Amino acid sequence: DGGITQSPKYLFRKEGQNVTLSCEQNLNHDAMYWYRQDPGQGLRLIYYSQIVNDFQKGDIAEGYSVSREKKESFPLTVTSAQKNPTAFYLCASSPEPAHGYTFGSGTRLTVV
Amino acid sequence: AQSVTQPDIHITVSEGASLELRCNYSYGATPYLFWYVQSPGQGLQLLLKYFSGDTLVQGIKGFEAEFKRSQSSFNLRKPSVHWSDAAEYFCAVVRYYGGSQGNLIFGKGTKLSVKP
Repeated sequence: DGGITQSPKYLFRKEGQNVTLSCEQNLNHDAMYWYRQDPGQGLRLIYYSQIVNDFQKGDIAEGYSVSREKKESFPLTVTSAQKNPTAFYLCASSPEPAHGYTFGSGTRLTVV
Repeated sequence: AQSVTQPDIHITVSEGASLELRCNYSYGATPYLFWYVQSPGQGLQLLLKYFSGDTLVQGIKGFEAEFKRSQSSFNLRKPSVHWSDAAEYFCAVVRYYGGSQGNLIFGKGTKLSVKP
């Protein structure tokens, strides 16, 4: 079945370390997105990519980086510059925004 | 700028009772609107969407939503709530940058609790 796979489901890291979250889709969608979710804050857009080898900053890109070398993959790196990295991270994909998104099941990152 | 407001942070209803979750949006043109549901620790699942035509939209799990342009609202309704409907619900609108490029902006969510 087609879908989006995020891994790992839970991730623990020490403060000051970079960490990379994986997102893979087999839906043949052109666009992919990363959102951060904090309690009571809804979903906030970190980065998005409309096509391979191209991506744009979202509303809260500071302290994060991405790459889009393959259509299927859109990994997110949380760098040591991110002041409050502990959060639930959601990846999504879409053929185009008007169709809505398909979401992965998320990665909960805890930095200690 | 486009925005989405969900005025209710938390709602509790009795099982079998009707439900209405409110959503107000800010957008100049005809909006593309969505409702998603999220169970704890999970991703979001699409319930329904509106982009033109009939203002009453039917979705999955017995949910429906009505688009009211005059009130800039897109409220989600269900006639009889089941215990399994307890979850968090998000309203979203497409924010376009140009051409077909854009992304969804989300409200802060409404958490639904269901009393037996």
